[in-house]
Amino acid sequence: GAGVSQSPSNKVTEKGKDVELRCDPISGHTALYWYRQRLGQGLEFLIYFQGNSAPDKSGLPSDRFSAERTGESVSTLTIQRTQQEDSAVYLCASSLGVSSFTEAFFGQGTRLTVV
Amino acid sequence: GQQVMQIPQYQHVQEGEDFTTYCNSSTTLSNIQWYKQRPGGHPVFLIQLVKSGEVKKQKRLTFQFGEAKKNSSLHITATQTTDVGTYFCATGTASKLTFGTGTRLQVTL
Repeated sequence: GAGVSQSPSNKVTEKGKDVELRCDPISGHTALYWYRQRLGQGLEFLIYFQGNSAPDKSGLPSDRFSAERTGESVSTLTIQRTQQEDSAVYLCASSLGVSSFTEAFFGQGTRLTVV
Repeated sequence: GQQVMQIPQYQHVQEGEDFTTYCNSSTTLSNIQWYKQRPGGHPVFLIQLVKSGEVKKQKRLTFQFGEAKKNSSLHITATQTTDVGTYFCATGTASKLTFGTGTRLQVTL
């Protein structure tokens, strides 16, 4: 596609439910990142994919968070047993790759509200 | 891991005044990128610097990378209301793109 696409754009869920967030990166981009941004705060790194592998999962805040990527394309971020503290905008970004480090293109984000 | 701090956290200027945000690291950075995030929007790439002492300009924006590659600055000349937003610096490694804490700029008439 023309840009990074994320869905849904908004998600309201009840505490304790699982949610799945989707990211479609720009075609041909091998690097994919997930970030969390709480209201008025900076970007908190969650996970990085190079191709389909995730060499850096260090940012995942707990074992309730997991992510996968298939076909060097779509990625899903799953949050199990959501808590109110999970409420934030989840941003996905992709870039060409790390051999020649270039800009990261961000999606519009998924605003998650846990009630 | 690498951490980058930005100052100030927030700045409010009148239209026409200049603005500068600084990005500092305790370690040498291989590169520095700058992003702008409008209110309610997502970060958008502005520029990347890789060389020691590098200076790049984009219209009213001037970006610098320090000689020691441990700091960077973004300077906006004669701010306009369209400059409102949060400016983030970021640095990339083999496995992570780490963002600074951001500087929120408010511009009023």
